[in-house]
Amino acid sequence: EVQLVESGGGLVQPGGSLRLSCAASGFTFSSYEMNWVRQAPGKGLEWVSYISSSGSTIYYADSVKGRFTISRDNAKNSLYLQMNSLRAEDTAVYYCARGAYLSVDYWGQGTLVTVSS
Amino acid sequence: EIVLTQSPGTLSLSPGERATLSCRASQSVSSSYLAWYQQKPGQAPRLLIYGASSRATGIPDRFSGSGSGTDFTLTISRLEPEDFAVYYCQQYGSSPKFTFGGGTKVEIK
Repeated sequence: EVQLVESGGGLVQPGGSLRLSCAASGFTFSSYEMNWVRQAPGKGLEWVSYISSSGSTIYYADSVKGRFTISRDNAKNSLYLQMNSLRAEDTAVYYCARGAYLSVDYWGQGTLVTVSS
Repeated sequence: EIVLTQSPGTLSLSPGERATLSCRASQSVSSSYLAWYQQKPGQAPRLLIYGASSRATGIPDRFSGSGSGTDFTLTISRLEPEDFAVYYCQQYGSSPKFTFGGGTKVEIK
């Protein structure tokens, strides 16, 4: 069974940093593209970042470019999102999401990031 | 950047009725790149349809997708109680990698 389990969310002050982690199991992690997708409270879905299976290709949404860094450790079956210079508008549930069929076929349960003073 | 516009914003229907959800793209999208998701309150989204018309694993055949170019449709042939949720369309691109529509809420009438 495919499982994606996020951790690392919490309350942080504006300008602060957080590192999100996603532990993957039930599939060959190193064979899949991965993404982070977020959802602000009561709002729709927003793609945040993409990383290829090898980690060699990375993309970011304009809204987080220069502040967030995606990475992966295929030996540990783990995906990460380093978030710096956090703003109130980054407040959201962050989902770890597996890419397949030019879409996202599995999602984690999400971790809530709240940016507030 | 391609913008996806979903309509209607809210669809009020009764169980057993047919639901037709629309997703319109601001420019032509390859059918291979269009997907649909269902999200229930407090849950992560679930992939329903990829490649515009292919059902994901375990998705009942009352869900179907169609369309091409700039106009795509998700149809639920007969609404079951568990189908009342928010539905999102999504387009796969280069940058941004994924673009989502604003969502359509299907609520019980």
